[in-house]
Amino acid sequence: AQTVTQSQPEMSVQEAETVTLSCTYDTSESDYYLFWYKQPPSRQMILVIRQEAYKQQNATENRFSVNFQKAAKSFSLKISDSQLGDAAMYFCAYRSAGFGNEKLTFGTGTRLTIIP
Amino acid sequence: EAEVAQSPRYKITEKSQAVAFWCDPISGHATLYWYRQILGQGPELLVQFQDESVVDDSQLPKDRFSAERLKGVDSTLKIQPAELGDSAMYLCASSLWAGGLSYEQYFGPGTRLTVT
Repeated sequence: AQTVTQSQPEMSVQEAETVTLSCTYDTSESDYYLFWYKQPPSRQMILVIRQEAYKQQNATENRFSVNFQKAAKSFSLKISDSQLGDAAMYFCAYRSAGFGNEKLTFGTGTRLTIIP
Repeated sequence: EAEVAQSPRYKITEKSQAVAFWCDPISGHATLYWYRQILGQGPELLVQFQDESVVDDSQLPKDRFSAERLKGVDSTLKIQPAELGDSAMYLCASSLWAGGLSYEQYFGPGTRLTVT
């Protein structure tokens, strides 16, 4: 079974600064997807960024980028120019690439606080 | 923008009572997921539907939980009888299924259940 570990329960960053959230995972599969989801207080979970395991290039979405290290099974999220609206719980998630196995396996989350 | 709808948003029930949650996925999304998120943890899959068929219910406590998606559109998750340990956020998600591929999961706002 796959597992996802987020070792930082809480992080804080000054507004406009850069912060990196860590995630490691364990799997015996070679093809899979990795995600970062954001869950603001009392609001629904939204997808921040997605990475396909077969792609060597790290995914980027505006101020959000990942550092995907397949051999090390590491998948960190970097948020540049942090904004107050970035305050939320951030979850790292794993999904197998095979049919019928699309469930997301989540880590325990990192609560990100933005300091004005 | 289309969203996953869930109701109720909040539910308080007494131990041993029955409770039901409803989810309406994004139109055209064939895959529907129910996740349970205990406070301080990441969501865990309870059941996955492909159209009206159950694809994965391995983590669903079948002695008290049931889920259905009769017409392959909206879905109901039921708990009977509720136990104190069922207090959690119940999240519904849906994804598009096309060409043998499953796409990103979109989450609803969740139903927060408190069992007293």
